[in-house]
Amino acid sequence: DVKVTQSSRYLVKRTGEKVFLECVQDMDHENMFWYRQDPGLGLRLIYFSYDVKMKEKGDIPEGYSVSREKKERFSLILESASTNQTSMYLCASAPSGSHYEQYFGPGTRLTVT
Amino acid sequence: GEDVEQSLFLSVREGDSSVINCTYTDSSSTYLYWYKQEPGAGLQLLTYIFSNMDMKQDQRLTVLLNKKDKHLSLRIADTQTGDSAIYFCAGGSQGNLIFGKGTKLSVKP
Repeated sequence: DVKVTQSSRYLVKRTGEKVFLECVQDMDHENMFWYRQDPGLGLRLIYFSYDVKMKEKGDIPEGYSVSREKKERFSLILESASTNQTSMYLCASAPSGSHYEQYFGPGTRLTVT
Repeated sequence: GEDVEQSLFLSVREGDSSVINCTYTDSSSTYLYWYKQEPGAGLQLLTYIFSNMDMKQDQRLTVLLNKKDKHLSLRIADTQTGDSAIYFCAGGSQGNLIFGKGTKLSVKP
C-alpha cells in the first residue's frame, strides 16, 4: 500500500512565524504535490516537484516555497505565516508515466492566529 | 487550461442510487478520476476510467464517460450512510490533475 504521511494533523501558528509542513511518501514516486483546500474553492495546487531538487509553481505559489532534497520528502514552507494561509494542506505523490493517479496524505489543518 | 465543474451538493435517501456529475474542458485528459474525502481526512482514490472507455463498473460504483459532451458521472448503487463524503472528479494531462470543487453527498437514513 502506498503511504503518504504528513508531519502534523493540526497546527496552530502565529502571524509572522515561519512554518514547515513535511510530507513523506514510501513508494519511490517521482512526483509530489502540495495543495490547499478551502471551502467552496476545492483543491488548489501550490507547488509540485517532478524530481529531487526540482520544483514548479502551481496556481497559487505566492507566500509559499518548497524544498525537495530527497526523493521521498517534499516540504512546504510558509516564510511568514499570515491569517489568509489558514487552510487544510494536502500533500500527494504520484509515479511518473501516463497514469496520473495521485495518492494523498491525511492533510494538515493549519490555523494562523 | 483544464476546467472541471461539479455541482456542490447532493442529498439522497439510504438505499437509493446517487449520481454525481462532472464536466471537463480538456479533451486530452488520458484518465479521469473520482476521489472520495471523508470528514477530516485526505482524498482517497475511488475509481478511474481511461478516456477510450465509455463505462466502468466496480461493485456499487459505475462510471460513465461521454467524451463528446465531456461529461463524467459516478453512480453509487444502494447508497449507504457511510458513503456520505465529498466526491471530487479530476482530469488532466501533462502530469498534473485538475480537481473539481467537490460534491458533498449527504445520505439520509
